[in-house]
Amino acid sequence: NAGVTQTPKFQVLKTGQSMTLQCAQDMNHNSMYWYRQDPGMGLRLIYYSASEGTTDKGEVPNGYNVSRLNKREFSLRLESAAPSQTSVYFCASRENRGHEQYFGPGTRLTVT
Amino acid sequence: SQELEQSPQSLIVQEGKNLTINCTSSKTLYGLYWYKQKYGEGLIFLMMLQKGGEEKSHEKITAKLDEKKQQSSLHITASQPSHAGIYLCGADVQGGTSYGKLTFGQGTILTVHP
Repeated sequence: NAGVTQTPKFQVLKTGQSMTLQCAQDMNHNSMYWYRQDPGMGLRLIYYSASEGTTDKGEVPNGYNVSRLNKREFSLRLESAAPSQTSVYFCASRENRGHEQYFGPGTRLTVT
Repeated sequence: SQELEQSPQSLIVQEGKNLTINCTSSKTLYGLYWYKQKYGEGLIFLMMLQKGGEEKSHEKITAKLDEKKQQSSLHITASQPSHAGIYLCGADVQGGTSYGKLTFGQGTILTVHP
């Protein structure tokens, strides 16, 4: 089992460019999540997907879109990157509520 | 202010010393999760607490949940350099409508000097 995988690990974008962060889990989990981590802020939820075919906004959704492609994959898209989106992005998955979330290794994104 | 406050924000201890990290919620706790993160890596799950008064241990790390105070504490006994990292608490503060969403504290950076 690879657990939760994320690609790429590092990315540098220029302001206005777009990109998609990929996330996949092989644990047959129902729920998947995207967080961003900034210094002194902990993790903040961007979007989540409670089950295949559903997505919903979290605490900081502006500037992002998501796609739950199938049960395994949950992607995060930045349509027009801004320096404020410089952050470390984590994907996580969970079997059901009441169970722990499993995290991927993260994507370190810099927007210049 | 944050829904979930951790204290202290950073901690430097000598190897062998005991330490405690606190996590306090401004909302009702329906579940409290402790994670550890090494720099540049993802989060590793440590423990989950769901009931008031619950206490769990893993090796030299013990976590307790005080439902009345809406607070959890993480205690490390006889710290080692391998305990160094960032400790984060995450909480389910929405209960049945949360779909498993977690709110996280800002993290506590632990340094252990040999």
